[in-house]
Amino acid sequence: SQTIHQWPATLVQPVGSPLSLECTVEGTSNPNLYWYRQAAGRGLQLLFYSVGIGQISSEVPQNLSASRPQDRQFILSSKKLLLSDSGFYLCAWSDLPTAYEQYFGPGTRLTVT
Amino acid sequence: GENVEQHPSTLSVQEGDSAVIKCTYSDSASNYFPWYKQELGKRPQLIIDIRSNVGEKKDQRIAVTLNKTAKHFSLHITETQPEDSAVYFCAAEMDSSYKLIFGSGTRLLVRP
Repeated sequence: SQTIHQWPATLVQPVGSPLSLECTVEGTSNPNLYWYRQAAGRGLQLLFYSVGIGQISSEVPQNLSASRPQDRQFILSSKKLLLSDSGFYLCAWSDLPTAYEQYFGPGTRLTVT
Repeated sequence: GENVEQHPSTLSVQEGDSAVIKCTYSDSASNYFPWYKQELGKRPQLIIDIRSNVGEKKDQRIAVTLNKTAKHFSLHITETQPEDSAVYFCAAEMDSSYKLIFGSGTRLLVRP
């Protein structure tokens, strides 16, 4: 069966510091991968999605970036964090080519101080 | 751009009563509509979904209905239990692209 991992689970970072969040999926090949952000008490905002290695689409212009160095690895980065980057970051996967269902990882709770 | 509106934002029901959450979407090409349940501090969990070729789908106490003409879909929970208390999100597939647009969420409270 498929599993999805995210780390770290929680992170407290000062404004202006860099960020790297990692997501990996096991038990499937060539998944679609997604990064979402959820502000406190709010909905899910799609940040990036990827349909294959090296293929990244950005949904919202911001100081974040994403990379997919391996088939089942998705990384969210920032060179300089802003206070507004605080939130719950969720990675999700879906199974190409016909499965629409998206399954979420456990999330990373980021607090920028 | 594409949009999904969800209401109510909060819903309080007595245990055993039914709960209904409604969503409308703007992209007439959307063909997939999932519902997620998110408990406090946890990840969203897919609880039921529907595709555009059917009008209703049921799984035990939960059901989803879809009206493509009116571009709205609803989640129905019957015989609610305290463990149904959570935030529920609807979503719609966007641009036939495997991307989902989420509603803003409904906080459901089931009073024992």
